[in-house]
Amino acid sequence: DAKTTQPTSMDCAEGRAANLPCNHSTISGNEYVYWYRQIHSQGPQYIIHGLKNNETNEMASLIITEDRKSSTLILPHATLRDTAVYYCIVRFPWAQGGSEKLVFGKGTKLTVNP
Amino acid sequence: EPEVTQTPSHQVTQMGQEVILRCVPISNHLYFYWYRQILGQKVEFLVSFYNNEISEKSEIFDDQFSVERPDGSNFTLKIRSTKLEDSAMYFCASREDREHHEAFFGQGTRLTVV
Repeated sequence: DAKTTQPTSMDCAEGRAANLPCNHSTISGNEYVYWYRQIHSQGPQYIIHGLKNNETNEMASLIITEDRKSSTLILPHATLRDTAVYYCIVRFPWAQGGSEKLVFGKGTKLTVNP
Repeated sequence: EPEVTQTPSHQVTQMGQEVILRCVPISNHLYFYWYRQILGQKVEFLVSFYNNEISEKSEIFDDQFSVERPDGSNFTLKIRSTKLEDSAMYFCASREDREHHEAFFGQGTRLTVV
């Protein structure tokens, strides 16, 4: 799985968009970008994933650069409940025989301030 | 919404004792996992389980650990002789099938070995 680099921490004002960057310059052609988050020692929660196109769901948007070497997770209107550690994971999907394990790095600690 | 359920939420055990952590994965899911997180550290993969057998395991998952799906709903992690360093949050996760990208995590069991 490709290595990822994320900032250690970020702050965001409540109601504003939170933009969380992730660098993955060694990503290979078939590897996907996945985002999970962990709210205060709860179990990790899946947010979104993408291959090359931008993706949006009810939780967030994922913007992947054209060269796929970096991506940004966007929480459009952050709330206090979005305070969490956000993990960017790059890997082959299970459907393509990717390893069973998810490898969590240190992630970005996002603090949403009132 | 279906969820992964773990019991107990907190377990205290004496060093050297056996402990069983229990999980009820989402009912139609086929792939099952255990992860752990030592306080202040990363979430680490322990083992994956599919079709009634271990499909992948990490170096952490040594002979002291075992997993079982004793019936159609439960998935258990047994630690035979607990050590102080086994103190951690243990997360169970499940995944629907080969094609789905998301893993769903439980809220965890905090294991404290004294």
